[in-house]
Amino acid sequence: QKEVEQNSGPLSVPEGAIASLNCTYSDRVSQSFFWYRQYSGKSPELIMSIYSNGDKEDGRFTAQLNKASQYVSLLIRDSQPSDSATYLCAVNMLKAGGTSYGKLTFGQGTILTVHP
Amino acid sequence: DGGITQSPKYLFRKEGQNVTLSCEQNLNHDAMYWYRQDPGQGLRLIYYSQIVNDFQKGDIAEGYSVSREKKESFPLTVTSAQKNPTAFYLCASSPTRGYEQFFGPGTRLTVL
Repeated sequence: QKEVEQNSGPLSVPEGAIASLNCTYSDRVSQSFFWYRQYSGKSPELIMSIYSNGDKEDGRFTAQLNKASQYVSLLIRDSQPSDSATYLCAVNMLKAGGTSYGKLTFGQGTILTVHP
Repeated sequence: DGGITQSPKYLFRKEGQNVTLSCEQNLNHDAMYWYRQDPGQGLRLIYYSQIVNDFQKGDIAEGYSVSREKKESFPLTVTSAQKNPTAFYLCASSPTRGYEQFFGPGTRLTVL
């Protein structure tokens, strides 16, 4: 069973629309959650970090975390063609005693296409 | 400029040869990581290190080796035992283990 799951897409949205990317995780005690953007042929770039329940906004990006339901989402408002990329969700999972494994678990990524 | 550098950007290797990929960071990060990414696939963890002179195997360590003699450097050797080494290799570092990671530009390895 995968520990971090994302819809692989592709997710296609028109320019100016809201793109909604979702991620679910299996470990109830996970504490830290990250969204990365990866353009084709390039390395991943960290775009959002979220640590507590609720919303966190940064420009056109909003991360939403719901630990009770074990999901984290990324909303991109006013989507632009330059937002077309693969978006990776990553989770810092904890051991039973509450210590970190010292690594992130990544989802497979969602391909987003924003068309003019 | 602070950041993570990887070299070379492109690397071609003949079957049966070992090759070493370089990863250097000047961010003073404690933890460093190596990932492999195949076309259309996610990231798979090869090795990681949380402190100098210590490292742990990731999910796909077979056929790879690493060293961490300096905080700034975490080279990866792809040995001839790796059956299918052609891939995009990514190095990352983190200020604290298990927290946000920052990636280098990657090395694209092709076995001829």
